[in-house]
Amino acid sequence: GAVVSQHPSRVICKSGTSVKIECRSLDFQATTMFWYRQFPKKSLMLMATSNEGSKATYEQGVEKDKFLINHASLTLSTLTVTSAHPEDSSFYICSARFSARTNEKLFFGSGTQLSVL
Amino acid sequence: AQKVTQAQTEISVVEKEDVTLDCVYETRDTTYYLFWYKQPPSGELVFLIRRNSFDEQNEISGRYSWNFQKSTSSFNFTITASQVVDSAVYFCALSEARAAGNKLTFGGGTRVLVKP
Repeated sequence: GAVVSQHPSRVICKSGTSVKIECRSLDFQATTMFWYRQFPKKSLMLMATSNEGSKATYEQGVEKDKFLINHASLTLSTLTVTSAHPEDSSFYICSARFSARTNEKLFFGSGTQLSVL
Repeated sequence: AQKVTQAQTEISVVEKEDVTLDCVYETRDTTYYLFWYKQPPSGELVFLIRRNSFDEQNEISGRYSWNFQKSTSSFNFTITASQVVDSAVYFCALSEARAAGNKLTFGGGTRVLVKP
């Protein structure tokens, strides 16, 4: 079945550095991917919609200069947390849209736990 | 605006007991999709079910069953004869517009703890 790979699964970085998270659809092309953020014991909140070949659409309150999204190919979207701070520590999870003629599904990556020291 | 409410934040049961998780949603769309996901401690989201708004048939899959009541905007989930492996956070979610592969609005989640 279709699989979405998210890497890394866990990252620890120093405050002020940038971190890149990859979301890759392994056996299907995904023109649209979504990035979610989840604080401990909280729900998942949509951050942005990543569209292949165009700019991402950010949800209200999400800083686009802080969370850079690049969807340069049909199988890869990246989320870069720039100048990370401890408050950016969170669980980030992506999903990719699989579309066939009569079928559309969402597949989730396994998530990335970001800890900023 | 879309909204999903899971009123129960945490439920604790003893193994073999049944547990029902409530989900109430709000949407202006006439066509939409509802989902349930399981999130074990490892963090990944495990897909459980997808239901479109025109299909109000209840569904059973093994020990899992779902009750969709459009009249009350509810999509409740029951685990029968719970097991320790069912311990996880369960999320109800709603997709916008008419697409099953669209962005999701998640409820707050219900943490289920099944004790041996």
